[in-house]
Amino acid sequence: GNSVTQMEGPVTLSEEAFLTINCTYTATGYPSLFWYVQYPGEGLQLLLKATKADDKGSNKGFEATYRKETTSFHLEKGSVQVSDSAVYFCALSSSNTGKLIFGQGTTLQVKP
Amino acid sequence: DAGVIQSPRHEVTEMGQEVTLRCKPISGHNSLFWYRQTMMRGLELLIYFNNNVPIDDSGMPEDRFSAKMPNASFSTLKIQPSEPRDSAVYFCASSFRGPENTQYFGPGTRLTVL
Repeated sequence: GNSVTQMEGPVTLSEEAFLTINCTYTATGYPSLFWYVQYPGEGLQLLLKATKADDKGSNKGFEATYRKETTSFHLEKGSVQVSDSAVYFCALSSSNTGKLIFGQGTTLQVKP
Repeated sequence: DAGVIQSPRHEVTEMGQEVTLRCKPISGHNSLFWYRQTMMRGLELLIYFNNNVPIDDSGMPEDRFSAKMPNASFSTLKIQPSEPRDSAVYFCASSFRGPENTQYFGPGTRLTVL
């Protein structure tokens, strides 16, 4: 079945450091891939998405590329800020069901 | 657009009481999802609807939980009777079912059962 695996957290970085959060998936067919972010006390917000292989999603300085050959969708940001501290969820969606399959979430803490 | 609306935002109740959580999806969306989030179990999909019809309720923990969607603009999640282990944040999300399937989440209802 479909599944998503994220690197375990917490990830602790200093401000302006480079961020990578790994995400790999297992899926049948051609899923869409997503990164959601959850700030403390809030619901999940869509951060970026990619709907087909080699697509790059980007938003707010974050990027992720849909790699079919390695079944990965790693999240990157060149220079993190304290305000990026949150929980990040990788997810996939199969178009025939509409369900999102989430990874377990990775907590990012950015220190000044 | 108002986004997904959930009410109440916070609910504190005593064990054995009935709890009803409400959700208004984004207008035009035809899929609705109920999730539960806890520290121990993370984010769990409880049930989802397409065009007001329940499609998959395999995540509903037990018979004490029920969900309805009487029309395209309203859904409820009911717990009767509630138990302390039901304490969690409950999220509602909606999407337009299609190739992208982007889900938009509400702010959540924080439920505490004493």
